[in-house]
Amino acid sequence: KAGVTQTPRYLIKTRGQQVTLSCSPISGHRSVSWYQQTPGQGLQFLFEYFSETQRNKGNFPGRFSGRQFSNSRSEMNVSTLELGDSALYLCASSLDSADTQYFGPGTRLTVL
Amino acid sequence: AQSVTQLDSQVPVFEEAPVELRCNYSSSVSVYLFWYVQYPNQGLQLLLKYLSGSTLVKGINGFEAEFNKSQTSFHLRKPSVHISDTAEYFCAVSDLDSSYKLIFGSGTRLLVRP
Repeated sequence: KAGVTQTPRYLIKTRGQQVTLSCSPISGHRSVSWYQQTPGQGLQFLFEYFSETQRNKGNFPGRFSGRQFSNSRSEMNVSTLELGDSALYLCASSLDSADTQYFGPGTRLTVL
Repeated sequence: AQSVTQLDSQVPVFEEAPVELRCNYSSSVSVYLFWYVQYPNQGLQLLLKYLSGSTLVKGINGFEAEFNKSQTSFHLRKPSVHISDTAEYFCAVSDLDSSYKLIFGSGTRLLVRP
């Protein structure tokens, strides 16, 4: 079974731009969660989607948003990028919210 | 709110020596516990998990962990490490109160020296 895939793997953007990251979960998994990893704050939960609905949300500003499609693929969008948004963004999928989460390789976003 | 503490930011150890990476969590209510490993420029790989049942959990690559409810700990151990075990290790907890989102510790860098 293929694992979680994330595209693109690397992104460079400038302040003020917006960016969209994509995540394809393991086949059959309906829950997709997003995490931000930075050296200063560590791993922080962004949000979780299940069956196209946001189930859970972390403490991030409204510039961070996401969505999930009927095939369980998910995208996250960050608008008006700031330097502090530079991070590794990790996507994880699971059968349901309470099940074990399996992570993708991440997207490394650099904001200049 | 749930929190996870990994007291050791870095653990240096010689090859073939045993190692223990410590993890404590804040709440004693019913929790799920996980250890993930992250190699450079990669995502998180699940090492092992505790959901219920036996308190000694065995994972991949020879790692094991013991759930101790009274001490709210979930320490990771390996009897003999290899150079290839050099990586960042994250302890995580989830529970119903947090809607099962993963709450991570700050990570422990395991540095295996020849």
